[in-house]
Amino acid sequence: QVQMKQSGPGLVQPSQSLSITCTVSGFSLTSYGVHWVRQSPGKGLEWLGVIWSGGSTDYNAAFISRLSISKDNSKSQVFFKMNSLQADDTAIYYCVYDTFAYWGQGTLVTVSA
Amino acid sequence: DVQMIQSPSSLSASLGDIVTMTCQASQGTSINLNWFQQKPGKAPKLLIYGASNLEDGVPSRFSGSRYGTDFTLTISSLEDEDMATYFCLQHSYLPYTFGGGTKLEIK
Repeated sequence: QVQMKQSGPGLVQPSQSLSITCTVSGFSLTSYGVHWVRQSPGKGLEWLGVIWSGGSTDYNAAFISRLSISKDNSKSQVFFKMNSLQADDTAIYYCVYDTFAYWGQGTLVTVSA
Repeated sequence: DVQMIQSPSSLSASLGDIVTMTCQASQGTSINLNWFQQKPGKAPKLLIYGASNLEDGVPSRFSGSRYGTDFTLTISSLEDEDMATYFCLQHSYLPYTFGGGTKLEIK
C-alpha cells in the first residue's frame, strides 16, 4: 500500500531555511508525482508545488523565489526546501501523492527565535 | 488564481439529516475537483475525485455533483463519524487552490 513518511525539523529560526524529506513506498516516483501542501489556521490549505514523475516541477508563484522541490528516484525520496522563513510560514507541511489520495503524516513547523 | 469559494463555513445538523455544502470556482471552464474530509490532528482524507467519483472505501452516503462552476458535496444520511471539516480542491489550473472549508457539527 502507498505510504508517505515525512522527516524534518519542527522549529526553524526566522530567515532560515526549511528542509523536509518525504520517503515514499508502494509506488515509484518515476511513475507518479508528489505535491507539497501546507495548512495554517490563518491561511487554510495552500498548494505549494509539485514534482512530476519525469522530474519537472511546478510551483505556486507566491513561493517560486524561495521554494525548491527535488527527488531521488532510486531512494524513493522527495526533498522540499523553502528559504527565508518568517513567522507566517508557521504551518503543518504535507507531502501528498499524485492524485491527492495519500498524504504524509504532516510536519508541524514553527518559525521562531 | 482560481478562487474556490466554499459555503457555508460551518453548519450544524442532526443524525440522519441530508447535508449539502458547495464550492464555486471563480473562473475556469474545465475544473477538476476533489472533496476531502479532515478530522482534528489528521491529514485530509480524499472522499470524491473528478467532482463525482467516490474514492475506494468511502461510504456511499457521500456523493458529489457539478453544475457549471458550482460543485456540491452531499451526505445523504448524517452519521456521528461525519463530524469533521470538509474542503474542496481544484487541480486543473495552477496554482491548485483549496476552498476555505466547511466545519460540520452534529446537533
